[in-house]
Amino acid sequence: DIVMTQSPDSLAVSLGERATINCKSSQSVLYSSKNKNYLAWYQQKPGQPPKLLIYWASTRESGVPDRFSGSGSGTDFTLTISSLQAEDVAIYYCQQHYSTPQTFGQGTKVEIK
Amino acid sequence: EVQLLESGGGLVQPGGSLRLSCAASGFTSSSYAMSWVRQAPGKGLEWVSAISGSGVSTYYAEAVKGRFTISRDNSKNALYLQMNSLRAEDTAVYYCAKIAGASPLYYFDYWGQGTLVTVSS
Repeated sequence: DIVMTQSPDSLAVSLGERATINCKSSQSVLYSSKNKNYLAWYQQKPGQPPKLLIYWASTRESGVPDRFSGSGSGTDFTLTISSLQAEDVAIYYCQQHYSTPQTFGQGTKVEIK
Repeated sequence: EVQLLESGGGLVQPGGSLRLSCAASGFTSSSYAMSWVRQAPGKGLEWVSAISGSGVSTYYAEAVKGRFTISRDNSKNALYLQMNSLRAEDTAVYYCAKIAGASPLYYFDYWGQGTLVTVSS
């Protein structure tokens, strides 16, 4: 199974400041023939289901604010919130869908400092 | 508008069975794979099972293999999860999730609100 490891487990950022979450996979999730990284990011607010933010490592889902961006390739990925807003308080998960079982990172809790 | 509505959760004793359902709308069911993902109280997300758009291919996490069965009825736009031999560690909110392609090797683009399964005596 591919193990997904996020860092940090939690972070507190001031409003308007940048938040950066890292995700590392135990093996590459780059599908070379398609030149796509099978990596997605989700946001989960308390009492709600997860919401898709980013897919193919860097493609923003429709309706997601452009302050959210994803980057990386192979085994190392980053989710960046360029200017943290109050409504961004949530837990963020990365997920590989390169192979089954699909696996998630342990989550990163983002709070306001 | 895509909507996913789970039902069938509840309290069940260890060793018991439960069948979860997910009613889907707003998309052509047979064109997309579907999945169940669970979340134990206060814990992270765990993929449980997936099924191809046609229903021919199924996939399971090792933790549920041999106990859970995923199925779908595209004529009813419905997804199911038959859970047998339930254990305390199966206690979780179970989410139905739409996969963004016909095979399971895509991301989850829509999620239901979830249904709580509690396994306890």
